[in-house]
Amino acid sequence: EDQVTQSPEALRLQEGESSSLNCSYTVSGLRGLFWYRQDPGKGPEFLFTLYSAGEEKEKERLKATLTKKESFLHITAPKPEDSATYLCAVQNYGQNFVFGPGTRLSVLP
Amino acid sequence: DGGITQSPKYLFRKEGQNVTLSCEQNLNHDAMYWYRQDPGQGLRLIYYSQIVNDFQKGDIAEGYSVSREKKESFPLTVTSAQKNPTAFYLCASSIVGTTEAFFGQGTRLTVV
Repeated sequence: EDQVTQSPEALRLQEGESSSLNCSYTVSGLRGLFWYRQDPGKGPEFLFTLYSAGEEKEKERLKATLTKKESFLHITAPKPEDSATYLCAVQNYGQNFVFGPGTRLSVLP
Repeated sequence: DGGITQSPKYLFRKEGQNVTLSCEQNLNHDAMYWYRQDPGQGLRLIYYSQIVNDFQKGDIAEGYSVSREKKESFPLTVTSAQKNPTAFYLCASSIVGTTEAFFGQGTRLTVV
């Protein structure tokens, strides 16, 4: 069974304090790994797609990396507006998406 | 603007009633999905459709029904058979293949 776990469940950072979120996955066949940002009461907003081990993507203060078993979302010098829940998902060869429970990030000024 | 529109944003249902959640997209995507999100849990797949007039059950389809009569529309009916329907419901769409899914803004359903 395809599974995605994320850690930590919640993370509190001071503004400017860099850190990483982890996404570990088991999937029968990986077509892609996706990161989303979700604000309270809103739908998830797409951030990145990663397709193969070793691949990296960057957007502003965020950088996503992928290995054969996990992905990291690195946040460099975060700001309060980066506070959100970050979701990781994998797509299998059945073309369905399997989501992790998310990491709730709070960045304090 | 292209995107996915879910309506209503908030919905209240009395026990024993069926309610229908609307999802419309103008992205020309073939695949559409319905997810349920509960606090502290990941998104769970209810139903998905990759082509008009065809859909498949996801992991938690019991108590729900869908239709896909048009490419743009994928309504979800929450029936009285769903024992715990209070949740945040998300609709998504994607191009069939290895691409990201795009989400609507969600409908929060509350049973009163």
